[in-house]
Amino acid sequence: AQKVTQAQTEISVVEKEDVTLDCVYETRDTTYYLFWYKQPPSGELVFLIRRNSFDEQNEISGRYSWNFQKSTSSFNFTITASQVVDSAVYFCALSALSGSARQLTFGSGTQLTVLP
Amino acid sequence: DAGVIQSPRHEVTEMGQEVTLRCKPISGHDYLFWYRQTMMQGLELLVYFNNKAVMDDSGMPKDRFSAKMPNASFSTLKIQPSEPRDSAVYFCASSPIGGSPLHFGNGTRLTVT
Repeated sequence: AQKVTQAQTEISVVEKEDVTLDCVYETRDTTYYLFWYKQPPSGELVFLIRRNSFDEQNEISGRYSWNFQKSTSSFNFTITASQVVDSAVYFCALSALSGSARQLTFGSGTQLTVLP
Repeated sequence: DAGVIQSPRHEVTEMGQEVTLRCKPISGHDYLFWYRQTMMQGLELLVYFNNKAVMDDSGMPKDRFSAKMPNASFSTLKIQPSEPRDSAVYFCASSPIGGSPLHFGNGTRLTVT
């Protein structure tokens, strides 16, 4: 069974602050993918990043960075110098590749509000 | 690239009526997924297809829900009879291979009164 936990339900920051969204996952599979998706107020789900279980290198893309640590089963997402447009619900998700378990299992999401 | 197309965007219906949601995946994507999003349950997988065949429908209430994929470019999710607890946003998504990012449609917001 797969499980993704996003313990932070809501986070509120002031513009230009850095913010980290936590994600902890559970899976028995050794091969899996981790994802982050963004859901802005308009409602669509936007893919941000995918990481495979064999690549623990951290990644940076502009103001976004991701910290993957297998030892703690965590895949945290940091936004540096947050902006109002970053306000959205952010979902962490897991896809294991064993058997037919190729679907994404989503966490419950973290509502991020960036105040001007 | 047109993206995943869902219709209708909004549907309001009365309890007991039949509802059909439609999805056109991205051309060439072999996987198609139907998710339901509610405040209480979050994003739940209902069913997914690989090359038009149902791979897992364990998340779908089979007494009232049915999903079909008659060809590679079209899928439907039907609810009959609909109930107020089916009110949710239904997302369709597709991907080219297992483990690759899902591309989501804009969703269908279903309200059952």
